[in-house]
Amino acid sequence: DGGITQSPKYLFRKEGQNVTLSCEQNLNHDAMYWYRQDPGQGLRLIYYSQIVNDFQKGDIAEGYSVSREKKESFPLTVTSAQKNPTAFYLCASSDDLSPTYGYTFGSGTRLTVV
Amino acid sequence: AQKVTQAQTEISVVEKEDVTLDCVYETRDTTYYLFWYKQPPSGELVFLIRRNSFDEQNEISGRYSWNFQKSTSSFNFTITASQVVDSAVYFCALSDTGNQFYFGTGTSLTVIP
Repeated sequence: DGGITQSPKYLFRKEGQNVTLSCEQNLNHDAMYWYRQDPGQGLRLIYYSQIVNDFQKGDIAEGYSVSREKKESFPLTVTSAQKNPTAFYLCASSDDLSPTYGYTFGSGTRLTVV
Repeated sequence: AQKVTQAQTEISVVEKEDVTLDCVYETRDTTYYLFWYKQPPSGELVFLIRRNSFDEQNEISGRYSWNFQKSTSSFNFTITASQVVDSAVYFCALSDTGNQFYFGTGTSLTVIP
């Protein structure tokens, strides 16, 4: 079945560490997105990519980095520069460069700083 | 600027009651799209409906119905005869011609058996 796979489901990070969240899709979608979800704040866009080897910053890109070397993959690295990384992270994709048909979402990764 | 407001943070209803989730949006675009997503406890957002700005026809899908009114910039979602499985966080979202999605802050619905 086609879909988006995010791993791991739960991730614990020590302060000062970089961690990478995986996002893989087999939907042949061109565009991929990373969102951060905090209680009561909805979803905030971190980065998005509309094509391989290209990506743009979203509203809260500071402390995060991404790569898009393959169409299927859009990993997110949470760097030590991100001061408050504890959150739920959602990856999404769409088959249109303009998301007028909606997104398909992964099941998320919950990151906790210990 | 584009904006989506879901004023109801949390709602609790007793099973079999009807419940309406409110969504008010702001945009200067004449072409835009509105969405509702459901986020169950598992975390994944599930697509429920998409509506474009030129189609104000209300839609019903089983126990779900949506009321789109451009005059009040609202896209409300009603669940009829609610069930425990409807318990989730529901997000309203707006997509414009600028390649961006704008999400509301979500409404957490709890259906009490």
